[in-house]
Amino acid sequence: QVQLVESGGGVVQPGRSLRLSCVASGFTFDKIAMHWLRQAPGKGLEWVAVTSYDGIDKFYADSVKGRFTISRDNSKNTLFLQMNSLRREDTAIYYCASRLLRPLDHWGQGTLVTVS
Amino acid sequence: IQMTQSPSSLSASVGDRVTITCRASQGIENDLAWYQQKPGKAPNLLIYAASSLQSGVPARFSGSGSGTDFTLTISSLQPEDFATYYCLQDYIYPSTFGGGTKVEI
Repeated sequence: QVQLVESGGGVVQPGRSLRLSCVASGFTFDKIAMHWLRQAPGKGLEWVAVTSYDGIDKFYADSVKGRFTISRDNSKNTLFLQMNSLRREDTAIYYCASRLLRPLDHWGQGTLVTVS
Repeated sequence: IQMTQSPSSLSASVGDRVTITCRASQGIENDLAWYQQKPGKAPNLLIYAASSLQSGVPARFSGSGSGTDFTLTISSLQPEDFATYYCLQDYIYPSTFGGGTKVEI
């Protein structure tokens, strides 16, 4: 079955960097666009970024553009989110998600990033 | 594209009919999805393409709308439906969520 497992979260100081990973299994990873989303404590969902199946096309939310970079390694079925110049307002649970057949139809369990 | 969801919260009883609305700041055709999220869990897709029921989702959930105005309806609220609901436009990037509707007892 489809499984998405995020890792790499933790506590980081403002201005520092962190890289998140999402390992996928149960589907043909190199044919599927992948997304990152986040949810600040007690707040709503925010879409963060997407990469096309081949890693060529990428789009970002305005709130992270220029600071975050989405990438993927199709040989390792892994999605990444490089987060630079972190701010307190980036504190959130970060989810990876895929669109296998329908919009964001599979999600990981999330990884918590705390900027403090 | 801004997604305005209302109400932000509502109180209802088991068996009630519940309606949640989402308005897009510009036309998004039918590129709208609805998600349910329970505390401590990732969101779960309910409805896609505005009105199509995701596999495995109970038929008491339905969606309607096109263009800028959309509705999620729960025909008869069940105890397991108390959760927060979000709309998402995926018509154009950046995708955007509505602010959420918390359905409480």
